Amino acid sequence: DIQMTQSPSSLSASVGDRVTITCRASQSIRSYLNWYQQKPGKAPKHLIYAASSLQSGVPSRFSGSGSGTDFTLTISSLQPEDFATYYCQQSYSTPRTFGQGTKVEIK
Amino acid sequence: EVQLVESGGGLVQPGGSLRLSCAASGFTFSDYSMNWVRQAPGKGLEWVSYISSSSTTIYYADSVKGRFTISRDNAKSSLYLQMNSLRAEDTAVYYCAREHPGPRAFDYWGQGTLVTVSS
Repeated sequence: DIQMTQSPSSLSASVGDRVTITCRASQSIRSYLNWYQQKPGKAPKHLIYAASSLQSGVPSRFSGSGSGTDFTLTISSLQPEDFATYYCQQSYSTPRTFGQGTKVEIK
Repeated sequence: EVQLVESGGGLVQPGGSLRLSCAASGFTFSDYSMNWVRQAPGKGLEWVSYISSSSTTIYYADSVKGRFTISRDNAKSSLYLQMNSLRAEDTAVYYCAREHPGPRAFDYWGQGTLVTVSS
């Protein structure tokens, strides 16, 4: 199975900050990397697919990059509604493993 | 508007069974592969099972293989998860999720249904 490791596990940031979350795969997954946002008590929301393509309706302050084993999710200017937990997921092979999540909290 | 609505969760004793359903609307259900994903209380997301659009390909996580069965009825636009021999560690919110072809991302999710396995 492919293991997905996110860092950091949590971070504190202020509104307007630039935030970067990294995700590393245990083997190459080419660009089969997706990002999701989850708020407490809610279902995950799809943000980015194929490492860098923005899902329709997702604000342009979100961006993704990377290929192979190393990926990043960047929020260019953190907004109040962005405080949530973010998960990466590989869709290269089954099982479709998720990272452990990164909780973005208010500083 | 794409909608996925899960139902069937509840409290069940260890060793018991439960059948979850996911009703889909707003898209041509028979065109899409579907997945079940679960989330234990306070924990991260765990993929559970996959079924292709025509049910020809099915996968399970090792943690549920042999106990859970995924199925679908394209005529009813519905996805199912039959869960047998339930254990305390199966306690979680269960989500159904549509899989986008190509990148295979889970582009739409239901609101989830809570399964609690406890005596």
